[in-house]
Amino acid sequence: DAKTTQPNSMESNEEEPVHLPCNHSTISGTDYIHWYRQLPSQGPEYVIHGLTSNVNNRMASLAIAEDRKSSTLILHRATLRDAAVYYCILSWSGGSNYKLTFGKGTLLTVNP
Amino acid sequence: DSGVTQTPKHLITATGQRVTLRCSPRSGDLSVYWYQQSLDQGLQFLIQYYNGEERAKGNILERFSAQQFPDLHSELNLSSLELGDSALYFCASSAGQGRFGYTFGSGTRLTVV
Repeated sequence: DAKTTQPNSMESNEEEPVHLPCNHSTISGTDYIHWYRQLPSQGPEYVIHGLTSNVNNRMASLAIAEDRKSSTLILHRATLRDAAVYYCILSWSGGSNYKLTFGKGTLLTVNP
Repeated sequence: DSGVTQTPKHLITATGQRVTLRCSPRSGDLSVYWYQQSLDQGLQFLIQYYNGEERAKGNILERFSAQQFPDLHSELNLSSLELGDSALYFCASSAGQGRFGYTFGSGTRLTVV
C-alpha cells in the first residue's frame, strides 16, 4: 500500500483556518487522495477526496500539489466540533478493489 | 445517520465465546468492509465483500469469518474470543469498489471479559 505521512497532532484556535498537511511521495497515478475524520467513539466520517485537481465541498477544501506527492486539507474556519483525528489515505487499487488503509492520522485540537 | 447500520452497538461477552456482528449497508451499496479499531492498533482492515463475494482480505484472524448475504447485509463472526479481541468493530459500505470512498457505520463496541 502507498503510505502517507501526517503530523501526529496540530492545534488551532476557533474560527481560524487550519491547514492539515499530508505527504504521499509514493502515490501512483490511479490513487485517489481521501480525507476522513473520526470523533471519539464514532465511525470515521468522509471529508473530501480528489485525484489531481483541488476540490471544495461544504466541509473543507483539498489542495493537491502539482506532482501529487503531497496534499493539504483546509478547514476554512475551525469550530470546536472539528476537533477530531484526521486521516489522509490513498485509496489503493488492488486490482479493481480500492482498499482504504488508515494510518495514525493527525489529532486536531481546537482551542476556544 | 450515515445510512450504514450496525447492531448491536455494545456487546459484552466472556472469553471463549462466539459473537456475531451485523451490518446493513447504505441503500444501493454493493461493497461492505469490516474494520477493527483497538486502542493500540488503530483502524485495521479486516475483509471486504462485493455483492456477496469476498474481494479482499486484510489482517483477519482465522477465528474470525464474515459473509455477505443476498440482501447485501453482512455478518462478522468472532469465535473463541480472547481479551485482546476487545475493540470497536466498524462496517463501511461503498457503491462500487470504493474508489470514491466509504460510508462508515457507528460501530459495535465489543468487550471480552
